[in-house]
Amino acid sequence: AQSVTQLDSQVPVFEEAPVELRCNYSSSVSVYLFWYVQYPNQGLQLLLKYLSGSTLVKGINGFEAEFNKSQTSFHLRKPSVHISDTAEYFCAVSYTGFQKLVFGTGTRLLVSP
Amino acid sequence: DGGITQSPKYLFRKEGQNVTLSCEQNLNHDAMYWYRQDPGQGLRLIYYSQIVNDFQKGDIAEGYSVSREKKESFPLTVTSAQKNPTAFYLCASSMQGSGNTIYFGEGSWLTVV
Repeated sequence: AQSVTQLDSQVPVFEEAPVELRCNYSSSVSVYLFWYVQYPNQGLQLLLKYLSGSTLVKGINGFEAEFNKSQTSFHLRKPSVHISDTAEYFCAVSYTGFQKLVFGTGTRLLVSP
Repeated sequence: DGGITQSPKYLFRKEGQNVTLSCEQNLNHDAMYWYRQDPGQGLRLIYYSQIVNDFQKGDIAEGYSVSREKKESFPLTVTSAQKNPTAFYLCASSMQGSGNTIYFGEGSWLTVV
């Protein structure tokens, strides 16, 4: 069965520090990978996605992610976080030929001054 | 503005009552989805529809029903058979085909009292 694992339920970090949010998925077959951000009481907004090509993907708000096929990972990074980055972040995967997205359980990023 | 509109934002329901959540999109997307979000569990797919007059069950369809009579509309009915309906419900849409970005509405909070 398709699955996505986000090992960290919560990541506290100080403002201007770097951060990495981890994501692993269950299968090594062809996949499409996504990171979404959710602010309180709102819907999800796409940060970035990997479909093919370069394994380093750049997204909005200074975030980037690296696709690692051998480790079945798609970790999200930002070199310097802001208070406004405080939100919940979801990793998701879809498999080629299937339109459904499978989501991880989310990681809450807490940025402190 | 183009987007996905969910209504109502907040809804209270008595046990034993059915309730319908509205979802309308003006993005001309073929596919539409309903997800349920519970704390610590991420998003789980309830139903999805890839074309008008057709829809498929997701991972947690029991106690829910949908219809897709128009391309822009995909209402979700939470029936009295749903044992634990209190949750945040998210409607989404996308162009047809895997790998396309799925866009989300702002969500609806349903509380059973």
